[in-house]
Amino acid sequence: KQEVTQIPAALSVPEGENLVLNCSFTDSAIYNLQWFRQDPGKGLTSLLLIQSSQREQTSGRLNASLDKSSGRSTLYIAASQPGDSATYLCAVYNNDMRFGAGTRLTVKP
Amino acid sequence: NAGVTQTPKFQVLKTGQSMTLQCAQDMNHEYMSWYRQDPGMGLRLIHYSVGAGITDQGEVPNGYNVSRSTTEDFPLRLLSAAPSQTSVYFCASSYKGKAFTEAFFGQGTRLTVV
Repeated sequence: KQEVTQIPAALSVPEGENLVLNCSFTDSAIYNLQWFRQDPGKGLTSLLLIQSSQREQTSGRLNASLDKSSGRSTLYIAASQPGDSATYLCAVYNNDMRFGAGTRLTVKP
Repeated sequence: NAGVTQTPKFQVLKTGQSMTLQCAQDMNHEYMSWYRQDPGMGLRLIHYSVGAGITDQGEVPNGYNVSRSTTEDFPLRLLSAAPSQTSVYFCASSYKGKAFTEAFFGQGTRLTVV
């Protein structure tokens, strides 16, 4: 059974700081991994999708890496802004899609 | 292109009542799934489907039924609502093929059982 863990559960940083969010999973036989953003009371917005054959994906200030053999992914956010404040969720696909509990990020002005 | 549409957005039920949460997608995605999200927790998988006529249980299936008669629709039925089913429910879809593609989510249904 796939278990997905996200560390830390919450993170508070000053504006402008670079930061890393972590995601680990127990079953490395995944098809892909996807990072999402969720604002309070809202749905999920897809940020990045990494296929199992890929090592990383980039979109603007976001960079996600995947190390399938060690069961880990990181989401790197460069030059954080208050608008980045949200909960970040990772999800992995085996035969279905399983989520971590998320990291709640607060970026202080 | 509507994407994934969930209805209703909000619902209040009395204990013991039944209801159906609707989910429809117009992207011809084979894979559809239902999740519930409770405060401070991530999304937990209730049921999923890899195509019309095929459904399977996720992590927390008890108290819920699903069916998939068409590619577009994947309704979630609460048979006899309980306060423990108070939650926000999300429906998702993606193309499967050789590998899953990006998942798209509906805006959620906020359900309160009193």
